[in-house]
Amino acid sequence: EAQVTQNPRYLITVTGKKLTVTCSQNMNHEYMSWYRQDPGLGLRQIYYSMNVEVTDKGDVPEGYKVSRKEKRNFPLILESPSPNQTSLYFCASNPTGPPRSEKLFFGSGTQLSVL
Amino acid sequence: AQSVTQPDIHITVSEGASLELRCNYSYGATPYLFWYVQSPGQGLQLLLKYFSGDTLVQGIKGFEAEFKRSQSSFNLRKPSVHWSDAAEYFCAVGGYSTLTFGKGTMLLVSP
Repeated sequence: EAQVTQNPRYLITVTGKKLTVTCSQNMNHEYMSWYRQDPGLGLRQIYYSMNVEVTDKGDVPEGYKVSRKEKRNFPLILESPSPNQTSLYFCASNPTGPPRSEKLFFGSGTQLSVL
Repeated sequence: AQSVTQPDIHITVSEGASLELRCNYSYGATPYLFWYVQSPGQGLQLLLKYFSGDTLVQGIKGFEAEFKRSQSSFNLRKPSVHWSDAAEYFCAVGGYSTLTFGKGTMLLVSP
């Protein structure tokens, strides 16, 4: 089954404790991206990757890192999480970069709480 | 930079009534436009998309949207709303490397 898998689904952590949210897709997609969703703000793009070893900042990259060492995986790293990073995070992929994608595949989301 | 405006934060519609959700975009070239729906606790599901051609686009679940270049709009419509349509709806515009979402419109359906 074609899917984007994010883990964990829920995460509670404390300020400053490094964490990684994993994202993996099994569709051989070139393009992957991370979004955060906050009430009243919609989805905002954090980082995206057009292909292996090619990453770039989205609209809200501060406090986040990503890597794309292989096509299927695109982890989101918070080196020193802060409470303002409490949010719902979505990973997404599609065969090529937007806007030509027929469909952007979303993961199920990771609800992160930073205390 | 591209942007999307959804002017209505909340909309309440009676079950069986018609629905129109507004979306205005800003983009320097031919836009690629999308509508997504998100039910509580769920991820996003694509309702429909516009790339080119016919400006009236049909989607899933009985939704349609009309692209109006002169108004920079891509409004979502449904002739008869069902209670299961209660959800949050996001309009999005696709640029070269990013997909920009509006802030969403929460649809409430009253009996």
